[in-house]
Amino acid sequence: QQPVQSPQAVILREGEDAVINCSSSKALYSVHWYRQKHGEAPVFLMILLKGGEQKGHEKISASFNEKKQQSSLYLTASQLSYSGTYFCGTALSNDYKLSFGAGTTVTVRA
Amino acid sequence: GAGVSQSPSNKVTEKGKDVELRCDPISGHTALYWYRQSLGQGLEFLIYFQGNSAPDKSGLPSDRFSAERTGGSVSTLTIQRTQQEDSAVYLCASSFKKQGAHTEAFFGQGTRLTVV
Repeated sequence: QQPVQSPQAVILREGEDAVINCSSSKALYSVHWYRQKHGEAPVFLMILLKGGEQKGHEKISASFNEKKQQSSLYLTASQLSYSGTYFCGTALSNDYKLSFGAGTTVTVRA
Repeated sequence: GAGVSQSPSNKVTEKGKDVELRCDPISGHTALYWYRQSLGQGLEFLIYFQGNSAPDKSGLPSDRFSAERTGGSVSTLTIQRTQQEDSAVYLCASSFKKQGAHTEAFFGQGTRLTVV
């Protein structure tokens, strides 16, 4: 089942914060976050396993709410380099395929 | 090589022709995925290979699409009788299990397929 991401797009000024959400109708084993810049391959940011842990990458962090089957990606004090499309990928078990959401396009302006 | 390698990087083919896309995963990675990405769209799952298990083919859009993975390494995605709607970037990714859990998936640069 493909996860649902929101919002579809967000425009920020440098230094502003944003939150991207990823929801599933099924119980998740793991959530993966990737960022893709135009014309490039998606690049891994972080993995969250069920258990509500939070992880960070630079000033980007994420959480996983197992009860809601929802993960949120937090962009803090955004930089120009944060621009790109963010995808969440979800797996129902450690042997299961990764299914990706439709993506959230983030544009950070000076 | 150190990363996932895909070839060709670009392919232009005539409608109705067959094409083969190749993916060389990172050595030792047991999981291999194929995704399709149309212009400005998300990552559409096509097929997933995991070790010696039967592949998950649930994302293949029609019987014109097939994929195989030989010797648990190189994979080939074949599209027969190509149609214009097959035009997209085809991405391959690989990952391996670590302590029972998947680690990150590494993506190749993709093959841009254009059907004219």
